[in-house]
Amino acid sequence: GAGVSQSPSNKVTEKGKDVELRCDPISGHTALYWYRQRLGQGLEFLIYFQGNSAPDKSGLPSDRFSAERTGESVSTLTIQRTQQEDSAVYLCASRIRGLVSDTQYFGPGTRLTVL
Amino acid sequence: GENVEQHPSTLSVQEGDSAVIKCTYSDSASNYFPWYKQELGKRPQLIIDIRSNVGEKKDQRIAVTLNKTAKHFSLHITETQPEDSAVYFCASGGSQGNLIFGKGTKLSVKP
Repeated sequence: GAGVSQSPSNKVTEKGKDVELRCDPISGHTALYWYRQRLGQGLEFLIYFQGNSAPDKSGLPSDRFSAERTGESVSTLTIQRTQQEDSAVYLCASRIRGLVSDTQYFGPGTRLTVL
Repeated sequence: GENVEQHPSTLSVQEGDSAVIKCTYSDSASNYFPWYKQELGKRPQLIIDIRSNVGEKKDQRIAVTLNKTAKHFSLHITETQPEDSAVYFCASGGSQGNLIFGKGTKLSVKP
């Protein structure tokens, strides 16, 4: 079946602009994660959605970052007033349930460049 | 907070040699330890995982060992091939539902 998809694949924006990144998880997956990966760096956890529970926002680096998810479907990550240090690949992952031992499947990522 | 340390950051081996990557974790409640492989420009993909109720798991040329007492786990790749060249990430997870990743190891296998 279809895997996790993300759009856009690439986004170039000017400093100070807002951007919205989209993630379509695998159908039926109740858990959804956002990560940030700076060039040559590891995966930095941002936010985690599990079903209808309140999201775990503990990884969001500042109040310029926010994310929403409607039910168990699409999620959007919004970055307001972008800064150059926001440049990175933003990866989304989904998991069939909230059990940590279920495999996380990653999307291809959105490469964000802030000029 | 929770932390995962991964070493080495880079590793270069000759084709056919073995490669070992080590990780330590801080959360004693962690009970799941996956390893992901990320090729250049591609998404991370799960290659092997281990749960806290076992000490070792093998899948062909890849094995993972876990020492819960010491809170460390390792990835072993035997008979390395050029296509094994990639960045490898370890991670640990517990009751919170999310994974904490190490910073990655760039493995280069020279033919």
